Amino acid sequence: EDKVVQSPLSLVVHEGDTVTLNCSYEVTNFRSLLWYKQEKKAPTFLFMLTSSGIEKKSGRLSSILDKKELSSILNITATQTGDSAIYLCAVSGTGGYQKVTFGTGTKLQVIP
Amino acid sequence: EADIYQTPRYLVIGTGKKITLECSQTMGHDKMYWYQQDPGMELHLIHYSYGVNSTEKGDLSSESTVSRIRTEHFPLTLESARPSHTSQYLCASRGVVNSPLHFGNGTRLTVT
Repeated sequence: EDKVVQSPLSLVVHEGDTVTLNCSYEVTNFRSLLWYKQEKKAPTFLFMLTSSGIEKKSGRLSSILDKKELSSILNITATQTGDSAIYLCAVSGTGGYQKVTFGTGTKLQVIP
Repeated sequence: EADIYQTPRYLVIGTGKKITLECSQTMGHDKMYWYQQDPGMELHLIHYSYGVNSTEKGDLSSESTVSRIRTEHFPLTLESARPSHTSQYLCASRGVVNSPLHFGNGTRLTVT
């Protein structure tokens, strides 16, 4: 059974801090790893990492995939209160319907 | 902006009522999914569809049913709502192979 584990479960930091969120996975026939940000409603897509794209960056956010260690990290530099959210990691395997398995998420709170 | 829409956004209903949660997408995606998410918990796949007239049950057993008569429409029905059905229901779609899931804003269901 596919499995995604995220750590820490929750985190409180001050504005301006840098945070690193962790994701480890076990999946049959890995295809991609996805990061989402979830505030009050639906998850919004951040990054997708694959064997051919193991590092992504967008503004203050960046992510790296370590296929050897079956893990990924999401870095946020110079955090802002607007970064407060739940960050979800998901992995997609092969198969007809491209099953996507989610972790429980890391709840990040950025305080002024 | 995601082109996937869910209605209603919130629903409070009494036990035993029949309900249908609507999900529509305008992106022409073949693959559509329903996830159930309790507060602070991970997303659990309850139904998915490859395309028109194709539906399958997901990992989490659910008393709900789905239909896919048109590509853009993937409604979820509960014939007799119960308090245990109280949860957030998220609809998602996916286009080409190895593309990210796009989520709707979700329906928060409360059964009293």
